[in-house]
Amino acid sequence: GENVEQHPSTLSVQEGDSAVIKCTYSDSASNYFPWYKQELGKGPQLIIDIRSNVGEKKDQRIAVTLNKTAKHFSLHITETQPEDSAVYFCAASRRGGSQGNLIFGKGTKLSVKP
Amino acid sequence: DTGVSQDPRHKITKRGQNVTFRCDPISEHNRLYWYRQTLGQGPEFLTYFQNEAQLEKSRLLSDRFSAERPKGSFSTLEIQRTEQGDSAMYLCASSAGSTGAGGELFFGEGSRLTVL
Repeated sequence: GENVEQHPSTLSVQEGDSAVIKCTYSDSASNYFPWYKQELGKGPQLIIDIRSNVGEKKDQRIAVTLNKTAKHFSLHITETQPEDSAVYFCAASRRGGSQGNLIFGKGTKLSVKP
Repeated sequence: DTGVSQDPRHKITKRGQNVTFRCDPISEHNRLYWYRQTLGQGPEFLTYFQNEAQLEKSRLLSDRFSAERPKGSFSTLEIQRTEQGDSAMYLCASSAGSTGAGGELFFGEGSRLTVL
């Protein structure tokens, strides 16, 4: 069935280091791949997204790469800061659904140590 | 604050009772989504409205769940005869997407349901 797998489930880095989170998706029809950040007690917030016609996208310290052939996409955060600590979710659009009908991964808890 | 607002933020109920959650999307967002999130999991899609029309429902959505968006603005999600397995955070999101590409989802802070 439709599935998005996300690794690692927890990630601890030192302030200033880079963090990488990887996801794989099962349905080749998925064409939209957003990443969300969720802080404790809050709803998820979009941090970056990529569409299937693009291989890479960057926004300041955050970048996302997409490999359609392998059905992999990754989030890269450089120069991490303590305020980057949160749970990060990858997602993929569902075949036949609207753009907001997303399949989410299980999340990665990122801890940035000062 | 012009974000997505949800009410109530917390609800504790006994098994078998009915509960209703309300979502007020960002003004003029025509798309509204309900998701459910359990501890340690990502959000799970439940249903989608474009204006007042309910266009998509998850195959996993029980008949005990019903959602409405009568005037294309706020939405309600009702759960009848609650079960302990319904305990979760219920998230509402809205977007201004047009036909085709769609747009960014803006999530509310959620309504946490605990069924005793």
